[in-house]
Amino acid sequence: GAVVSQHPSWVICKSGTSVKIECRSLDFQATTMFWYRQFPKQSLMLMATSNEGSKATYEQGVEKDKFLINHASLTLSTLTVTSAHPEDSSFYICSAEAPGPTDTQYFGPGTRLTVL
Amino acid sequence: KQEVTQIPAALSVPEGENLVLNCSFTDSAIYNLQWFRQDPGKGLTSLLLIQSSQREQTSGRLNASLDKSSGRSTLYIAASQPGDSATYLCAASFTGGGNKLTFGTGTQLKVEL
Repeated sequence: GAVVSQHPSWVICKSGTSVKIECRSLDFQATTMFWYRQFPKQSLMLMATSNEGSKATYEQGVEKDKFLINHASLTLSTLTVTSAHPEDSSFYICSAEAPGPTDTQYFGPGTRLTVL
Repeated sequence: KQEVTQIPAALSVPEGENLVLNCSFTDSAIYNLQWFRQDPGKGLTSLLLIQSSQREQTSGRLNASLDKSSGRSTLYIAASQPGDSATYLCAASFTGGGNKLTFGTGTQLKVEL
């Protein structure tokens, strides 16, 4: 089956530093990947749509200069949280859209970011 | 604004009971609807996907239905087990939305021995 991985699975960083999270589709190519954020006890909120070879599309209220997205290849998208602050602490989940008639999204296991 | 809501927010049932989780959406122009399971601190496991042209999908003890006219989907779990304890999320994509998923608020299920 289609597998999506994320690295790292968890990260703790100091306020003001930048953190990069990788999302990889392991056995299929994904022209489109999505980045979600989930705060404790809340549902997933879409942050941005990542398109291979073009700029990401950000949802309203998401700062593109703070959350840098690079879809470098058909199997890799990265999310960089720049100048992280404690309020950026969250669970970040990516998904990759598999080619086919149903456009099924396969989700990664998530990355827990804690900013001190 | 396209919204997806789930009721109840939390549910506790004894083992062996059949149960229904509810999901409602505001836009009838739905493309597909998915049900996911999320264990604490973990990612999402896809359970069932229903295309807009379908009315239901079944997998083992799970059955999901879709009623576009009423804006509702239900997830039926038969003969619940303690291992079914998790948060269940429904998510919808809408026509013209580019396959973006809008997630519901989730139902936290606990199946007790």
